[in-house]
Amino acid sequence: SAVISQKPSRDICQRGTSLTIQCQVDSQVTMMFWYRQQPGQSLTLIATANQGSEATYESGFVIDKFPISRPNLTFSTLTVSNMSPEDSSIYLCSVEEEPGGAFFGQGTRLTVV
Amino acid sequence: DAKTTQPTSMDCAEGRAANLPCNHSTISGNEYVYWYRQIHSQGPQYIIHGLKNNETNEMASLIITEDRKSSTLILPHATLRDTAVYYCIVRVLGRGSQGNLIFGKGTKLSVKP
Repeated sequence: SAVISQKPSRDICQRGTSLTIQCQVDSQVTMMFWYRQQPGQSLTLIATANQGSEATYESGFVIDKFPISRPNLTFSTLTVSNMSPEDSSIYLCSVEEEPGGAFFGQGTRLTVV
Repeated sequence: DAKTTQPTSMDCAEGRAANLPCNHSTISGNEYVYWYRQIHSQGPQYIIHGLKNNETNEMASLIITEDRKSSTLILPHATLRDTAVYYCIVRVLGRGSQGNLIFGKGTKLSVKP
């Protein structure tokens, strides 16, 4: 299974600032996925990131708020822009491996104050 | 919305089998049943998946009813480290289909000494 590393593992940020989360995979993957897990809630898919094309966002998420980069087949970043306390969540990146299991990083625990 | 129904919580004695049920009465013919778990403060972990036959791996067994409307995840000898939220998900299989990996609220399994 893929090994996924996320940085930072946690951060406390001031409202109005932005945080970029990095996700590194130890193998080349076509698609990478970004999720949000709000406190006490389940996971929600934010967007799908393909290398060489713009990310595809799920309903309720927009590129201006969550810009994503995917410069190569092993790396992606998610930026949480102009943060507010409502953005306090765990953010996770994920990759899909055949025959279909999804593998997740350990997550970035973000607190906005 | 999640297409599965799971009990909110369950307890299990250490060393005993943990049987986690899941109802998926609207499952389609091409949808697989997947199980993940999320140990506190970690990213979700893939456990097992199946289509219609029972499956077993080093972590667990998956029993799917003949009509495929429900399934049971079995942890044969639960340990304290198996305490986690367990998610049952139905989804189609194939590259790029992780977008339909919809997490419900899952079952919080507490393994007690």
